[in-house]
Amino acid sequence: AQSVTQPDIHITVSEGASLELRCNYSYGATPYLFWYVQSPGQGLQLLLKYFSGDTLVQGIKGFEAEFKRSQSSFNLRKPSVHWSDAAEYFCAVGAYGGSQGNLIFGKGTKLSVKP
Amino acid sequence: GAVVSQHPSWVICKSGTSVKIECRSLDFQATTMFWYRQFPKQSLMLMATSNEGSKATYEQGVEKDKFLINHASLTLSTLTVTSAHPEDSSFYICSARDTRTITGELFFGEGSRLTVL
Repeated sequence: AQSVTQPDIHITVSEGASLELRCNYSYGATPYLFWYVQSPGQGLQLLLKYFSGDTLVQGIKGFEAEFKRSQSSFNLRKPSVHWSDAAEYFCAVGAYGGSQGNLIFGKGTKLSVKP
Repeated sequence: GAVVSQHPSWVICKSGTSVKIECRSLDFQATTMFWYRQFPKQSLMLMATSNEGSKATYEQGVEKDKFLINHASLTLSTLTVTSAHPEDSSFYICSARDTRTITGELFFGEGSRLTVL
């Protein structure tokens, strides 16, 4: 079955510390992988995506993620967290092309940032 | 990136009334839009796929008579919650597929919070 697992429901890090949010997926076809961020009461903003090519992808706001096929993972990282990064983060997997596909979302990881 | 707008952002209604939420793609045409529901502190649950000019495809367990979806133009899809009840209170999010891109990337609206009294 297709699924996305984000093992950490809630993570707290100190401002300036590094961050890694975990994401594992199960998908039958070649996966397209995404990370989205959601602030309270807001929609989703795309941080970065992986379709093919270099397995280390750079996104907005200083985020990056690495696709590891052997581990079925797509972990999100940031070297130095800012207080404004506090939000909910969703990993998603899907297939694109034509009229097919939609995204399967993980349950999200809430990030809190300590001053 | 492309812009998807939802309206209203917030709506409060009385039990038994119907509420319409609009999802617009502002700078591109979207033949396919998706409607999601998000419960507090949970992920997005796909409700239905809205296809321009044809009937929506509903996910299992979603009542099509309660959640009416109309995709009458290439830039607008509407979700109508009919005879709303307090259990319909939720955050509803739409997304639209930008077919100008090779990968047909999805862009999300800002969400609409429905509170049914």
